[in-house]
Amino acid sequence: SQQGEEDPQALSIQEGENATMNCSYKTSINNLQWYRQNSGRGLVHLILIRSNEREKHSGRLRVTLDTSKKSSSLLITASRAADTASYFCATDSSGNTPLVFGKGTRLSVIA
Amino acid sequence: DAGITQSPRHKVTETGTPVTLRCHQTENHRYMYWYRQDPGHGLRLIHYSYGVKDTDKGEVSDGYSVSRSKTEDFLLTLESATSSQTSVYFCAISDETRQPDYGYTFGSGTRLTVV
Repeated sequence: SQQGEEDPQALSIQEGENATMNCSYKTSINNLQWYRQNSGRGLVHLILIRSNEREKHSGRLRVTLDTSKKSSSLLITASRAADTASYFCATDSSGNTPLVFGKGTRLSVIA
Repeated sequence: DAGITQSPRHKVTETGTPVTLRCHQTENHRYMYWYRQDPGHGLRLIHYSYGVKDTDKGEVSDGYSVSRSKTEDFLLTLESATSSQTSVYFCAISDETRQPDYGYTFGSGTRLTVV
């Protein structure tokens, strides 16, 4: 069964705006990862946050994790048309257990 | 994607026929995974491997088998294809020496249609 659930399912914003996507999960995690998928392509790893971390940054990406609420958010600042893609969160319950993916958020950035 | 290739990229097959999808990696990674992606379901794990001849089932393994006789190749077989197995299949690899920091590397996918 799905572990992560992203919210919203779809998001449309103007170029330059910030995009925020949320992920909720059900059981305890070891770490949480975010991936991007461009149409017709494989997923690309963006960023990982461990269960003992609360916030992490990578370029224009900011990820937060609240283990008490079993939720994470991905913020993309100053979005670009090239950020148009689907974004997935994925979790594992311990090291070396396979990742379980959510259903994804479709982000459209309009130029 | 660099280091991982899937073949074929597209396939149309008839109901009841066996189908084998191939995932090939040049990274010498121990872990390999097969996922399927369907609208409304995201990615779901079919089978994974943690070494040569070491495999385990995932969430949606019924109707699928896998084999890994060499580190670089992970084969997914649909024993008798059904229309419900029409999907996009993704292979992924991960490196236990660096994981999870670098996450999984995914192939470009195989679009399978069962008619």
